[in-house]
Amino acid sequence: QQQVKQSPQSLIVQKGGISIINCAYENTAFDYFPWYQQFPGKGPALLIAIRPDVSEKKEGRFTISFNKSAKQFSLHIMDSQPGDSATYFCAATSSNTGKLIFGQGTTLQVKP
Amino acid sequence: GAVVSQHPSRVICKSGTSVKIECRSLDFQATTMFWYRQFPKQSLMLMATSNEGSKATYEQGVEKDKFLINHASLTLSTLTVTSAHPEDSSFYICSARTLKAAFFGQGTRLTVV
Repeated sequence: QQQVKQSPQSLIVQKGGISIINCAYENTAFDYFPWYQQFPGKGPALLIAIRPDVSEKKEGRFTISFNKSAKQFSLHIMDSQPGDSATYFCAATSSNTGKLIFGQGTTLQVKP
Repeated sequence: GAVVSQHPSRVICKSGTSVKIECRSLDFQATTMFWYRQFPKQSLMLMATSNEGSKATYEQGVEKDKFLINHASLTLSTLTVTSAHPEDSSFYICSARTLKAAFFGQGTRLTVV
């Protein structure tokens, strides 16, 4: 089931900096790529998502970059804040199954 | 976004007993729901796909007789952990999809003592 690889495992960023998390997938049938934010003891919350027909999507401080040929996508958090400290998961799915396959997760710490 | 409610948020049970976890889609109908399991500091692992009105589809390695799933209505799926053992202790999370995205419940922390 390990079809989505995420890096880095952990990340420390200063307040105001840019946090970048990368993911790579194998299955070319995937057609929906969401990012989730999870705080300890809580379920994942949808942050932003992209489909492969666009190369970039921005929502507030969060941007997804998507490279279909390389089968890679990344999350950029601009102006990172201490409140962004959480675990971030990339995921991928195909419309056929609807099953989300998650990356391994990245623990982000934003230092004040 | 859509709301998925999961209950209970925490449960402690004795070894050998069964525990039921409920997952409800509050403001939309979900013909399909998903159940995940998450160990500490690890990713979410898909356990099974819950289909309204039919049998659940289990991922490889997941014991269907231990993890009973019932999707009785378009807004409710339940996961029952039968004859629970300490190794079943984990964080269980359900998910339901709208046409646009997948939304997750708050999760249930199961501790088997």
